Amino acid sequence: NAGVTQTPKFQVLKTGQSMTLQCAQDMNHEYMSWYRQDPGMGLRLIHYSVGAGITDQGEVPNGYNVSRSTTEDFPLRLLSAAPSQTSVYFCASSYKAAGELFFGEGSRLTVL
Amino acid sequence: GDSVTQMEGPVTLSEEAFLTINCTYTATGYPSLFWYVQYPGEGLQLLLKATKADDKGSNKGFEATYRKETTSFHLEKGSVQVSDSAVYFCALSDLGTALIFGKGTTLSVSS
Repeated sequence: NAGVTQTPKFQVLKTGQSMTLQCAQDMNHEYMSWYRQDPGMGLRLIHYSVGAGITDQGEVPNGYNVSRSTTEDFPLRLLSAAPSQTSVYFCASSYKAAGELFFGEGSRLTVL
Repeated sequence: GDSVTQMEGPVTLSEEAFLTINCTYTATGYPSLFWYVQYPGEGLQLLLKATKADDKGSNKGFEATYRKETTSFHLEKGSVQVSDSAVYFCALSDLGTALIFGKGTTLSVSS
């Protein structure tokens, strides 16, 4: 019973490098989202998707790209990493947008 | 826009003490309200929820009542345990949109 799986769990990047955070869910959820968690800021929505082929921006989308080619996968791409993107990233999914969110264990990213 | 405000932490309690974490919200419609808990090194998990006014959500000894008149959803537990030490997030969902979270309240319980 995997639920929401995120990889990698830890990553260190240099400024300007690119990378992709992977997220996969096996619950056949239509809705998937990415949040970042920063001290004193709570969770802020980066991007979300209501189904395959459909994505939209959240509160803090700048510097991030997403795509949703399958129901299961929702990768988050950093095209040119900046120190301000140092954070813990959480992927979450639910049956519908307003439903219970199931979270992955998080990916801790450090940009030097 | 919609928002959630919860009390600042950290909250430090002794085992068996009574817990209250305040949460108030601003929303244009009739939101669903949630409490999520994050244990150290883990992702968030749903603790309880309420979908309409006067509903009471409960789980693992925690309770919260949806109060429309005071736009509040305060989390309570009668007797906390060391294992309850975690970060607690209040959240709302309005008109089927993505969940909006408060900033989180850290609870530390000592024996």
